[in-house]
Amino acid sequence: GIQVEQSPPDLILQEGANSTLRCNFSDSVNNLQWFHQNPWGQLINLFYIPSGTKQNGRLSATTVATERYSLLYISSSQTTDSGVYFCAAGGFTGGFKTIFGAGTRLFVKA
Amino acid sequence: EPEVTQTPSHQVTQMGQEVILRCVPISNHLYFYWYRQILGQKVEFLVSFYNNEISEKSEIFDDQFSVERPDGSNFTLKIRSTKLEDSAMYFCASRRDDGGPPYNEQFFGPGTRLTVL
Repeated sequence: GIQVEQSPPDLILQEGANSTLRCNFSDSVNNLQWFHQNPWGQLINLFYIPSGTKQNGRLSATTVATERYSLLYISSSQTTDSGVYFCAAGGFTGGFKTIFGAGTRLFVKA
Repeated sequence: EPEVTQTPSHQVTQMGQEVILRCVPISNHLYFYWYRQILGQKVEFLVSFYNNEISEKSEIFDDQFSVERPDGSNFTLKIRSTKLEDSAMYFCASRRDDGGPPYNEQFFGPGTRLTVL
């Protein structure tokens, strides 16, 4: 099945800094999503991006499907951006399950 | 905007008891899923459900687990005899797959935190 790897595992930023989170996946995907897990444990859907580039405010994401990676960019980081960011990929197998990476734990210092 | 809902938000149970976690997927979605996340770990796939039957399940989803769509709106996960290691956040998700984009996107509910004592 699909393997999903995220880097870095941990990231500490000063407020206002920019960052790039990476997600590598091992096989062709029909689904690639980025989530932010809030302090209450809820998964907040940031992007559905199996290919191409999308932007939403200070966040943007790019997936290069042919090279099997996706990037999440956070610009002008704020303390509220702290938390765990998960990449999740889904393939073409029966059930179309989604496989999550181990996450990047981000802490933004004031 | 339609969303996946889950009840209860938090369930506390004694080891060996049966629990049923409930989910209401988005109404026009066709695929339904359960995932779990043990505290501090990544989210793991448990089971997918389509056309009133399991389409795929993980090694975690053993005979203690079952899923059901008892009516046209609810989707449930039952754990027959809970163990301490079943303590986790359980997420329900649904997926459209009716040909309209973005048909592969999975929409996740807010989760049920299960604590087994």
